[in-house]
Formats: sequence, C-alpha cells, structure tokens
Amino acid sequence: DIQMTQSPSSLSASVGDRVTIICRASQSVADFLNWYQQQPGKAPKLLIHSASILQSGVPSRFSGSGSGTDFSLTISGLQPEDFATYYCQHSYTTLITFGGGTTIEIK
Amino acid sequence: QVQLQESGPGLVKPSETLSLTCTVSGYSISSAYYWGWIRQPPGKGLEWIGSIDRSGSTYFNPSLKRRVTLIMDKSLNQFFLNFNNVTTVDTAVYFCARWARSDWYKGRFDHWGQGAQVTVSS
Repeated sequence: DIQMTQSPSSLSASVGDRVTIICRASQSVADFLNWYQQQPGKAPKLLIHSASILQSGVPSRFSGSGSGTDFSLTISGLQPEDFATYYCQHSYTTLITFGGGTTIEIK
Repeated sequence: QVQLQESGPGLVKPSETLSLTCTVSGYSISSAYYWGWIRQPPGKGLEWIGSIDRSGSTYFNPSLKRRVTLIMDKSLNQFFLNFNNVTTVDTAVYFCARWARSDWYKGRFDHWGQGAQVTVSS
C-alpha cells in the first residue's frame, strides 16, 4: 500500500494568510494526487486533481504543486469559508488511499 | 447537475449486514465512470471501501474486501453497498461518490453524496 502523510495535522491561521499544506507519498505516485476540502458535517469537495489542476468552480486562491512523492496545497489569502479539513489522496494504484488530513483553524 | 444521495438504516446491530443505497440524479450510471463508497469514522479520516462500474467490474480495499458486496441497478440509477458482519468499529459516516474516470485508479472523486451516519450498536 502507498501511505500518504500530511503535515501539519493542524494549523492556526488568520483571514488573509497564505498557508501551505504538505502531502508525502511513501513511493512515487507521479502526478496522480488529488486534494479535497471537508467542512464540518459536510462531504469532501474536490479542489485539485492531477496534483495541480484546479477543479471547475474552485477559487483561484487554491493551488497545488508537486510530483513523485512530495506535494503541496497552497491557499493564498485565506477566506472565512476556508477553515476546514484538507485531505490528499493518491490514485496511482488500484488501492487508493487518503492522507490523515490537515485542519485549518482560526487563530 | 450530478447529485448523489445515500439512504439506509442509521442503526445496525453487531454481526448483522449494513446495507446502503446511493441514488444518482443528473447523470446515468450506465454511461460511464466508476461509482464508489468511502467511509469516515467519528473524528477520523477517509477510508475508501470499494467501487463499481457499469459493467459490474469492482475494486475493493483489500482490508475490507471479504465483507463487502457492491451491486448496481442501472434501471433505477442506483448502486448499493452491503457490508456484512459489522462491529462497532464500522460505525461511521458512509459516503457514495462518482469517480471521474472510466478506468479505475488515476482519477478522482468529483461528486459526493452528503453522507449517511451508520451506528453499529446492540
């Protein structure tokens, strides 16, 4: 199995901040890496697929980068609705797995 | 637009079978793609359970495979999860979702249901 490790597990930030979340794969997943946002009590929402492609309708303040084993999700200018939990997920093999999540809390 | 909605009993007894239905609207499941189930135990992360396509081809999480059955009813535009011999550790929110690719893997879940809370308790 490919293990996905996210860091940090949580962070505190303020509206307007730029934040970056890291996701590392235990082996290369090429660019088959997706990012989801989950607000409390809601379903996950696809933000970015294929490591860096913004899903339709997602604000441009979200961006993704990386390939192989190291990936990042950056939010440039946090908005109140961005305080949520973020998950990475690889789709490189038939056993897809998610990272443990990163929760962004209001400072 | 594509919408998914989970339904089923919210309470299941230990050792019994958990059965959930996902009803899809705005897209025919006969057309393409895989359709999957993902769960989230309370306060924890996401775990993929399994996925099925229009031909009945299935993929499962190996850790859950022996307890899971996936079925699709194209005439009703629904797909189903049966999860047998449940225990309290199977208590979770269960989501259904569309996998935006006709091949399993190398894709992403682009539409999700709102989730169904299932509690395993006697």
